[in-house]
Amino acid sequence: EAGVTQFPSHSVIEKGQTVTLRCDPISGHDNLYWYRRVMGKEIKFLLHFVKESKQDESGMPNNRFLAERTGGTYSTLKVQPAELEDSGVYFCASSRAINTGELFFGEGSRLTVL
Amino acid sequence: GENVEQHPSTLSVQEGDSAVIKCTYSDSASNYFPWYKQELGKGPQLIIDIRSNVGEKKDQRIAVTLNKTAKHFSLHITETQPEDSAVYFCAASSYNNNDMRFGAGTRLTVKP
Repeated sequence: EAGVTQFPSHSVIEKGQTVTLRCDPISGHDNLYWYRRVMGKEIKFLLHFVKESKQDESGMPNNRFLAERTGGTYSTLKVQPAELEDSGVYFCASSRAINTGELFFGEGSRLTVL
Repeated sequence: GENVEQHPSTLSVQEGDSAVIKCTYSDSASNYFPWYKQELGKGPQLIIDIRSNVGEKKDQRIAVTLNKTAKHFSLHITETQPEDSAVYFCAASSYNNNDMRFGAGTRLTVKP
């Protein structure tokens, strides 16, 4: 069974540019989460999809961030326009159940905004 | 909301020694406490978890203890090996994965 895959693994862009991160969850996992870790800090929750619906997007920093999960399969997280403080590692995770249980994380997408 | 503090931020031990990582949480409603291990170039992976109805759980060389009164829980690794070197994250949640809050991580280095 393939794990959670994320693309790209690393992206370097200039302030003001746009970046789109992609996440492919484990097949059959309805729940998909996006997290972000700024260097040395905690892994912070951004949002949660159940299939194609946004269940909770309370962690999204601002309206420069847009997440989609069309068709309930893969998800994209777009940052437009990117700012310096958006730099960090963006993790995607999936789970079969919404209640507390194991999260399966991808390897993360490192975003560097110059 | 929940706030999770994790200490130490870095930990270096000699192979064979024990390692202890401690976390505190703020929300008394939290009842699920997982630990994740992130190896270099990989995503975090669940290694052990504990629920609030037990005080201790063990799996081979790793164990987790929970003190609900004091709102802290700890990860214990015995007989450490170089492959235990990684970043470890504690987390706490109460109702579902949406409210899971992670600590800032501990970078463990096991010297051969």
